[in-house]
Parts: sequence; structure tokens; C-alpha cells
Amino acid sequence: DTEVTQTPKHLVMGMTNKKSLKCEQHMGHRAMYWYKQKAKKPPELMFVYSYEKLSINESVPSRFSPECPNSSLLNLHLHALQPEDSALYLCASSQGLKGTGGSIYEQYFGPGTRLTVT
Amino acid sequence: KNEVEQSPQNLTAQEGEFITINCSYSVGISALHWLQQHPGGGIVSLFMLSSGKKKHGRLIATINIQEKHSSLHITASHPRDSAVYICAVGNQFYFGTGTSLTVIP
Repeated sequence: DTEVTQTPKHLVMGMTNKKSLKCEQHMGHRAMYWYKQKAKKPPELMFVYSYEKLSINESVPSRFSPECPNSSLLNLHLHALQPEDSALYLCASSQGLKGTGGSIYEQYFGPGTRLTVT
Repeated sequence: KNEVEQSPQNLTAQEGEFITINCSYSVGISALHWLQQHPGGGIVSLFMLSSGKKKHGRLIATINIQEKHSSLHITASHPRDSAVYICAVGNQFYFGTGTSLTVIP
């Protein structure tokens, strides 16, 4: 199984709502990532978890709260979002992280959740 | 300054043409990744390479670590190759700006 699944596929939420995005993989990967992608732009890294611990937080606003309850599951909790947070949110996983010099592990991406904040 | 530069940004080709997309980077790396993103969002990893050349079907990727440059070639292009092609480097996956390819029948 080389699949990363994400739910929901689409989400529309108001600025006062609280919602969560879910990502799951069963490849035994120990690194999981959240990316945000605006239209016609490359993905931007938000968070990286390694062995279920937050390894990288790319100065993401606190209205985005990641959680990694176990090695297969990654959540992104959303609260009090702004319309400019509307984007495609992509999850990915890889076997691990390399410490220096760059990632030698292939990343597997989920299909994404298209989020619209009204 | 973006650590990863791609060219061209947009490319339109006739079916059957040979296509080259270039990627230059400024950071030291162990490996470079080429990714494909179709309209609708899904990203697929095409290649991960740290030296030389890799081939998969009609796709060929090359890298020159000394010159910090990689190319992705598509031979005998087909309309189903139409997608955005992205190179990515580094531990935190610095992404290039992407090349939007359209192959016309």
C-alpha cells in the first residue's frame, strides 16, 4: 500500500468554525508533512513530524494546530481561519528525515483537501 | 531569493516533441526530486536522484551536482503529459516555481 489518504476532499468553513483535516498512511513511514498550496504556486511547507514529534514549524500562525496521534495519522486542526487561508492542503509522508544535506527519501503525497474559508 | 529556480515557467508543445525542463539550485543537497502535479491537485513523485541519470519510460532525469543543475526530459510527448512539473531539493523540500506543460494533440 503506497497510498496517502486525506479527508475531507473539500471543506468550506466560516471564520468562526473549528474543523480538522486528516491524513493517513500505512507504509510505515516515520516522517509526515503538511503543505499549503495556493493557486498556481508551488507547495509551501508548514509542519514536519518525525517519529510523531514536531520537527519543523515554518512559522505557521497558531490558528493552524498540527497533531500526530500515532505513526500512521496526522491531523491539522483549524480554528478562526481567514479567507486568505483558502488553499489546497497537502499531506505527505516519507521513510524518514535526513539530518543534513537534503532529503534522500521519496515523499508520497496525498490528493489534498481543498479548503475554502468564507 | 528562491533556492530553486526552474525554467521555463510555461511550455506548450506539439504531441511528439522532445521536451526539456531545467532546474537550478543554490543549496547543497544529497538528492533532488522531480514531481508531477496534475490539475486537481495530486502530486506524484517521478524521480529522486543524487547523481547521473535515471530513466522511467519516456521520462529521463539528469543531474550535475557540481553545477547544481538538473534537467527533466520527456521524449515523444503526449497530451496526458500535460501537468505542472516541480523540482524540489533539501531536507525541507524547497520547491521550484514549477513548469506548466501543455501538450497539444
